[in-house]
Formats: sequence, C-alpha cells, structure tokens
Amino acid sequence: QKEVEQDPGPLSVPEGAIVSLNCTYSNSAFQYFMWYRQYSRKGPELLMYTYSSGNKEDGRFTAQVDKSSKYISLFIRDSQPSDSATYLCAMTSYNAGNMLTFGGGTRLMVKP
Amino acid sequence: DAGVIQSPRHEVTEMGQEVTLRCKPISGHDYLFWYRQTMMRGLELLIYFNNNVPIDDSGMPEDRFSAKMPNASFSTLKIQPSEPRDSAVYFCASSFLHLPTSSYNEQFFGPGTRLTVL
Repeated sequence: QKEVEQDPGPLSVPEGAIVSLNCTYSNSAFQYFMWYRQYSRKGPELLMYTYSSGNKEDGRFTAQVDKSSKYISLFIRDSQPSDSATYLCAMTSYNAGNMLTFGGGTRLMVKP
Repeated sequence: DAGVIQSPRHEVTEMGQEVTLRCKPISGHDYLFWYRQTMMRGLELLIYFNNNVPIDDSGMPEDRFSAKMPNASFSTLKIQPSEPRDSAVYFCASSFLHLPTSSYNEQFFGPGTRLTVL
C-alpha cells in the first residue's frame, strides 16, 4: 500500500461545478499538507499549503485537513476550464528535510 | 528570476546509451530534488541535495543512476546504460529552508525532461 493514496480519475465536470479532490495517507507524522497543480507538459506548481488540521481558503479553492481520519481534501468552487489539470496532493513531516511524499495525482477536466 | 532550468527538454536515445540530464536551481536555494514521473508510479523522489551534498538517495532505482551537484547552481542526473523502462519525465525542483528548524518550504519545479529510451 502506498503511503499516500489518490484517485487517479479522470474526473470530468461541467463548468461552474463544485469539485472535490481527496487524498488519504497512512503516516501519522505528516503535519504539512500541500496541493500542487500540474498542467499538461509542465512541472507541478504549489496551489495551497495547510499546516496540521483545519481549513484554508484562497479564492475559489478550499483545502481541508482531517488528521484524525488521515484525509485531506481540495474543493474548487465555480470550476473553470482553466482549472483542467492534474492535482497532486503532497505531505511532509516535521524535520523531514523538505522531502515531500506525493499522491499519484487526479486528472481533472472542466468542460465548457 | 528565470525559475528552475532543465535541459534538454526532450531526449530520445537508444537502449544502452548514456543519458545526462541537467538542472540549474533558483539562485539562493539550498535544496535540490530530482524526481521521476510516470503514469504507473506517479511522481517519485530519486535523490535530494542540501548545500550540494547528497542527503537521501534511497529513491535511486539502481546503480545505473547517479547524480552530482558540483556547485550551488548546477546538478546532473546520469543514466548509464539507459533502458526502455527508464522512459519518463524527470523533474528537478529546488527550495530554500527559511528557518533553522524545519517547517514546510515550497519546492519550485522545472519544466521537466521527457526521456524516451528506444
């Protein structure tokens, strides 16, 4: 079993829909949780970062962390065709030396 | 800043040939990471450096892979001899540790090198 599990999709939604992307993990030492967005044939770019449990909102994006369930989510409101990309969750622990453990990524397609 | 620079962007080679991938991290960053991405295995960390010193190479698949960082502005990942199963996109990323104790610091990825071994 992988340390971080993520449904690969693809997930296809109509423009304007609310999108929910999720990851589960097994390492209880993880404290820092990230979502990276990767457009086709590009490198991943940091979208959101959350420390420990709770919610964080940035515009149309909301990241949630539930450490008790070892479950993180990314919600996208009013999804746009420009949101079409692969979304990778990543996480790390204190004193991990900046090493990240990535999920496999979920491919999202938002259709106009 | 130009961001992380990788070369070449595409490489097609034949099995058995030596392949060298190059990376220039963002100036001032003291961590450098090499990743490999495939459909089957996702994004895998191969090796990372801190202040030009290799810290963890446990992700390097086998002795055919080697990485060096001779100075703060340049790193190479070499595959010798290459095999078709090495075909993947190889990413270099860099980051800067802001605090003396660990907290998360964003990794900035390069555009990747798409390697095809025939």
